[in-house]
Amino acid sequence: DVKVTQSSRYLVKRTGEKVFLECVQDMDHENMFWYRQDPGLGLRLIYFSYDVKMKEKGDIPEGYSVSREKKERFSLILESASTNQTSMYLCASRDPYEQYFGPGTRLTVT
Amino acid sequence: QKEVEQNSGPLSVPEGAIASLNCTYSDRGSQSFFWYRQYSGKSPELIMFIYSNGDKEDGRFTAQLNKASQYVSLLIRDSQPSDSATYLCAVSGHYQLIWGAGTKLIIKP
Repeated sequence: DVKVTQSSRYLVKRTGEKVFLECVQDMDHENMFWYRQDPGLGLRLIYFSYDVKMKEKGDIPEGYSVSREKKERFSLILESASTNQTSMYLCASRDPYEQYFGPGTRLTVT
Repeated sequence: QKEVEQNSGPLSVPEGAIASLNCTYSDRGSQSFFWYRQYSGKSPELIMFIYSNGDKEDGRFTAQLNKASQYVSLLIRDSQPSDSATYLCAVSGHYQLIWGAGTKLIIKP
């Protein structure tokens, strides 16, 4: 059974803080993704990675960066958190047939 | 810009009836099409994928693909209250999936 885990289910941070969201998958998938999901806006792709140390910007990369030093781990970094980054963050990994999601991290920036 | 369009709903269907969810996409080169279900506060989970024109059935669910018209649909037969959720359509891109915004489905007992 594929498992994608995220480091926190709920997170509260202050404006200006550096925030790290961690994601780990156990199925040796090459492709991993970070999304944010907001009511009425659906899933929006922030960054994705198709191999270790390889990354590509998605639709909304501004204010975010990523790191993939090992195949199983893909981290999302908010360099200086702002209130408009309050959202649900979903990590996913993909095989040719399915994209598997982690449980999500609900981040609140105050 | 590749796009996937869905009616946001909510779509309200009586229990036991057929729910029909539709999705259109802009990229004629898309090869794979996916339907995900997302319960409130949970992550999306795959219901079905389809690659070929025509119908694909899995239990109460049927996915229909028409590449010439660039639409894909999901039929849910004998709808149950537990089917109440948001249904997301996704279409394959190069590495990533292109997502629709989802249709909220409400099954009324």
